[in-house]
Amino acid sequence: EDQVTQSPEALRLQEGESSSLNCSYTVSGLRGLFWYRQDPGKGPEFLFTLYSAGEEKEKERLKATLTKKESFLHITAPKPEDSATYLCAVQARKGAQKLVFGQGTRLTINP
Amino acid sequence: DSGVTQTPKHLITATGQRVTLRCSPRSGDLSVYWYQQSLDQGLQFLIQYYNGEERAKGNILERFSAQQFPDLHSELNLSSLELGDSALYFCASSRGPSENEQYFGPGTRLTVT
Repeated sequence: EDQVTQSPEALRLQEGESSSLNCSYTVSGLRGLFWYRQDPGKGPEFLFTLYSAGEEKEKERLKATLTKKESFLHITAPKPEDSATYLCAVQARKGAQKLVFGQGTRLTINP
Repeated sequence: DSGVTQTPKHLITATGQRVTLRCSPRSGDLSVYWYQQSLDQGLQFLIQYYNGEERAKGNILERFSAQQFPDLHSELNLSSLELGDSALYFCASSRGPSENEQYFGPGTRLTVT
């Protein structure tokens, strides 16, 4: 069964303090790994798709990387507006196009 | 704004009742997905439709059903509601049946009392 585990569950940083969020996954043939940002009471907002080990994608202060077993979301010099829950999801190559989500990392950036 | 719309935003109803949630996908998207998000279960896939046809089923209860109409909007019907059905229900859409990026709507918060 496809599975996604995110760590830590919650992370509190000072503004400007860089860090990384982890997403470990097991999937029967990876079609894609996805990162989403979710604000309280809102729908997940698409950030990145990664398809193969070694791939990296960047957007403003965020950079996502992928290995065969895990993905990292690196946040550089974060600002308070980066506070949100970050969700990781995998999509298997075969079968349904459903996304299997992790429980998320709740990130808080203090000014 | 993802371009996916969902109505209503909030719904409060009693146990045993039936409700209908509505979703309009982004312009040009043919696939619609329904997900349930609860505090203990996280985001769980329920069902997918592509161009009016059911494409995949996830952990959807028999009391729940969905359909996609010719204009591509979708409805999720929840019946014989139980307290445990209280959750956020999200709709997502993508271009085609295998298109990878799914864009989520703002969700419907269902409270069953």
